[in-house]
Amino acid sequence: AQKITQTQPGMFVQEKEAVTLDCTYDTSDPSYGLFWYKQPSSGEMIFLIYQGSYDQQNATEGRYSLNFQKARKSANLVISASQLGDSAMYFCAMREGVNTGNQFYFGTGTSLTVIP
Amino acid sequence: DGGITQSPKYLFRKEGQNVTLSCEQNLNHDAMYWYRQDPGQGLRLIYYSQIVNDFQKGDIAEGYSVSREKKESFPLTVTSAQKNPTAFYLCASSKGTGVQTQYFGPGTRLLVL
Repeated sequence: AQKITQTQPGMFVQEKEAVTLDCTYDTSDPSYGLFWYKQPSSGEMIFLIYQGSYDQQNATEGRYSLNFQKARKSANLVISASQLGDSAMYFCAMREGVNTGNQFYFGTGTSLTVIP
Repeated sequence: DGGITQSPKYLFRKEGQNVTLSCEQNLNHDAMYWYRQDPGQGLRLIYYSQIVNDFQKGDIAEGYSVSREKKESFPLTVTSAQKNPTAFYLCASSKGTGVQTQYFGPGTRLLVL
C-alpha cells in the first residue's frame, strides 16, 4: 500500500486566494511526522511545515497551515493568500518514529499554478 | 551558513563510465540520504546512512554505490551498471533517529551523452 497519497496532480488558484493541497497517509506506527516540501522549477526541495502525530494543534508557518485529521489519516496543506511565487510542485512526506529505518516516504506531488 | 551542498550542478556521463556526485553538509547531521527524481515524478530513495561507515540500500539501489567515511560527506557513484541514469539527484540530511526534518541540497542533474 502507498504510504503517502496525493490525488491532485495539478491545481490552479487565483492570486490572493487560499488553496488546499490534499495528502493522505498510511501507517500503523503511533509516532510519526508529516512534512510538506515545495519544489520550484530550480529543483531544490524547500521544507515548509511539520506536524507531529502527537501534536494537538494544527501546525502553522506564516501563510502555510497543515489541516491534520488523525482519524482520517489526512494532512492537507493550506496556503492562504496565494502569491505568484507559490507556483511549484508540492510534496507531502512522512517519517515513522518507532519503526524508522530513517526512511522518508514521499507522495507523487501536486503541481500548483497561481494565476494572476 | 549551514547547509547542504551538491556538486556539480550538471553532470554528463558517457556510456560505460562511472561518475560520482558529491554531497557535503555542515549541519552536524547524523543521517544522510540520496534520492532520484525522474521528470514529473516523486522522489525515490537510493541509499541512506545513519552513521559514519554504515549505510543501507533504499528502494532503487541497483547500479549505485555510496560511502560514508566522514560525517559531513556522502558521495554517490552512478556505475555503468545503471542503465538509465538520466535523472535529477537530490541529497538530504537529518539529525538522526526519530521524527526529524529532512533538509535537501540543490540537486545534481545527470545526463547521458
